[in-house]
Amino acid sequence: RKEVEQDPGPFNVPEGATVAFNCTYSNSASQSFFWYRQDCRKEPKLLMSVYSSGNEDGRFTAQLNRASQYISLLIRDSKLSDSATYLCVVNNDMRFGAGTRLTVKP
Amino acid sequence: DGGITQSPKYLFRKEGQNVTLSCEQNLNHDAMYWYRQDPGQGLRLIYYSQIVNDFQKGDIAEGYSVSREKKESFPLTVTSAQKNPTAFYLCASTIRGGQSQETQYFGPGTRLLVL
Repeated sequence: RKEVEQDPGPFNVPEGATVAFNCTYSNSASQSFFWYRQDCRKEPKLLMSVYSSGNEDGRFTAQLNRASQYISLLIRDSKLSDSATYLCVVNNDMRFGAGTRLTVKP
Repeated sequence: DGGITQSPKYLFRKEGQNVTLSCEQNLNHDAMYWYRQDPGQGLRLIYYSQIVNDFQKGDIAEGYSVSREKKESFPLTVTSAQKNPTAFYLCASTIRGGQSQETQYFGPGTRLLVL
C-alpha cells in the first residue's frame, strides 16, 4: 500500500458544483497534513493546512479523520479557476499523493 | 523578494552526461528538498537536507547526488546512472526540518529532457 493515496480523477464538474476529494495515509503517527494546488506545468502552491478540528477558507473546507486515516478537501461553488491538480501532503514523511485532477466546466 | 529560485528552467542533456540543477533560497530556511515529478504523477522525494553539510536519501535517490555546503544552496546532480532522467524537478524548503506543521515552499522547477 502506498503511504499516501489519492483518487487521480479526473473530476469534471460544472461551474457552481460542490466537489470533494479524499486522501488516505498509512502512517497512523502522522501529525501534519496539507493540501496543495498545482496548475499545469507549474510548481505546487499551498492551498491550506488541515487541522484536527477541520478548517475552512472561503469556499474550501479541509477535514481530518484520524480513525480512518484520511483527509478531505471540499470545494463549494466551483469556479473555472479552480481547475487544477490538488495534492495532499503528509508532512512528517514529506510524502505527496499523486494528485487529483479537477476540471470545472462552464 | 524572498523565495526559491531554480535554474535553468529547461535543461537538455545528452545520454551519458551528468548535469547539475541549481536551487537557491534566500528565506533563511534550514531544510531543503528535491522532488521529481513525471507527467500525470505526484512528487517523489529524491533527497533532503535538514542542515548544512548533512543530507538524506529519499525514495528515489539512485542515480542522483546532492551537496549542501551552504545554507542557501542545494544543487542536485543527475548522473549518467539515472536511466530515465526526463522529468520535472522541483526544489522546496521549510523553515526547519523534522518539524510538524511545516509548510513547504517550492521553486518554479526545472524541466530536464534527455536527447
